[in-house]
Amino acid sequence: EPEVTQTPSHQVTQMGQEVILRCVPISNHLYFYWYRQILGQKVEFLVSFYNNEISEKSEIFDDQFSVERPDGSNFTLKIRSTKLEDSAMYFCASTTGFQPQHFGDGTRLSIL
Amino acid sequence: AQTVTQSQPEMSVQEAETVTLSCTYDTSESDYYLFWYKQPPSRQMILVIRQEAYKQQNATENRFSVNFQKAAKSFSLKISDSQLGDAAMYFCAYYGQGGSEKLVFGKGTKLTVNP
Repeated sequence: EPEVTQTPSHQVTQMGQEVILRCVPISNHLYFYWYRQILGQKVEFLVSFYNNEISEKSEIFDDQFSVERPDGSNFTLKIRSTKLEDSAMYFCASTTGFQPQHFGDGTRLSIL
Repeated sequence: AQTVTQSQPEMSVQEAETVTLSCTYDTSESDYYLFWYKQPPSRQMILVIRQEAYKQQNATENRFSVNFQKAAKSFSLKISDSQLGDAAMYFCAYYGQGGSEKLVFGKGTKLTVNP
């Protein structure tokens, strides 16, 4: 069964540094998402992406965040200047639009 | 805005027994989907079961079934014949058809299965 893949599984970064989290959605999916889960808390929506543009974003997704689909297969989340509170598990998800969202295994981001 | 509430932070069940996890939600939309996702210690998010709001029949997937009460805005998950591998965090999630594309999650219920 096709899967959403995320790399790296764990990223450790110094505060203030830029970080890029990568995702390869399922190939025939059209809608892409990033969610965040701070340790011990619920999963929160960050952003959705369709037709090469952001379709919805949450209040969490401020100017420090950006998303890109650079080559038709990868879907990236960039945090420009990381803060301690960005430490979380980041999940990528994708869907055709008519099926439930399929999630990747997540990237654990640790900001030191 | 839609909200999802899971009032049981933790639940436990004996192996082979049945357990029910509660979820309530609030929405003004008439057309939506509800999901239960499982998150084992490995931290993946695995879809367990889905329910379309327009369907009156409760969804069933093997040992997992739901009790969907649309008027009460309740969506509980029943796990029958619990297995050790069922131990995980379980998240109830809402997806509306009113324009927002995001999943709205509850805070989760940690299920422990005792041998």
